Amino acid sequence: EAGVVQSPRYKIIEKKQPVAFWCNPISGHNTLYWYRQNLGQGPELLIRYENEEAVDDSQLPKDRFSAERLKGVDSTLKIQPAELGDSAVYLCASSPSGTGLYNSPLHFGNGTRLTVT
Amino acid sequence: DQQVKQNSPSLSVQEGRISILNCDYTNSMFDYFLWYKKYPAEGPTFLISISSIKDKNEDGRFTVFLNKSAKHLSLHIVPSQPGDSAVYFCAATDLSGNTPLVFGKGTRLSVIA
Repeated sequence: EAGVVQSPRYKIIEKKQPVAFWCNPISGHNTLYWYRQNLGQGPELLIRYENEEAVDDSQLPKDRFSAERLKGVDSTLKIQPAELGDSAVYLCASSPSGTGLYNSPLHFGNGTRLTVT
Repeated sequence: DQQVKQNSPSLSVQEGRISILNCDYTNSMFDYFLWYKKYPAEGPTFLISISSIKDKNEDGRFTVFLNKSAKHLSLHIVPSQPGDSAVYFCAATDLSGNTPLVFGKGTRLSVIA
């Protein structure tokens, strides 16, 4: 089976510019996650979708971050405007389970490395 | 306040010997634990998991031990191989789904031939 696909792999932007990341989850996976991984840290959840509904966005900085998952498949994460502290790897993950079943192992994409200068 | 702690940033082991990676957690609500392995420029991949009803789970060369009273788990790799060199993340959640998967900072394992 094809894995979680993310693009772009790398992005370098100047601060205050907008940026967007795209994710295509594994076919049939209803649950989609966006994580952010800062250097030397573990991944931290930004938002979780069950199909097209965002069921946990408590850690998403809503003043500058937004996400959407139209039709419950692909997802886009946007930052506008970007700040220096947003430099990190943004990881998308998916799992087959439905609502509340966090115990399904997550399948991660290779991530987008964002550098804000 | 870190709920999942991996206190060893790095570990070096000779090929063929045992690698032991440790993880501590503070949240008593966690009852399901996972280990992920990450190579450079790739996303983390699931390795092995254990629920709180068990104290040991084994999959080939990989065994995870859970000590609930100590809130401690460990991953044993025997025998270690050069291809095991990667960053290993411990993660925790609860089976009810009320808690998002929480990751530790990771331990970089180097297996020396």
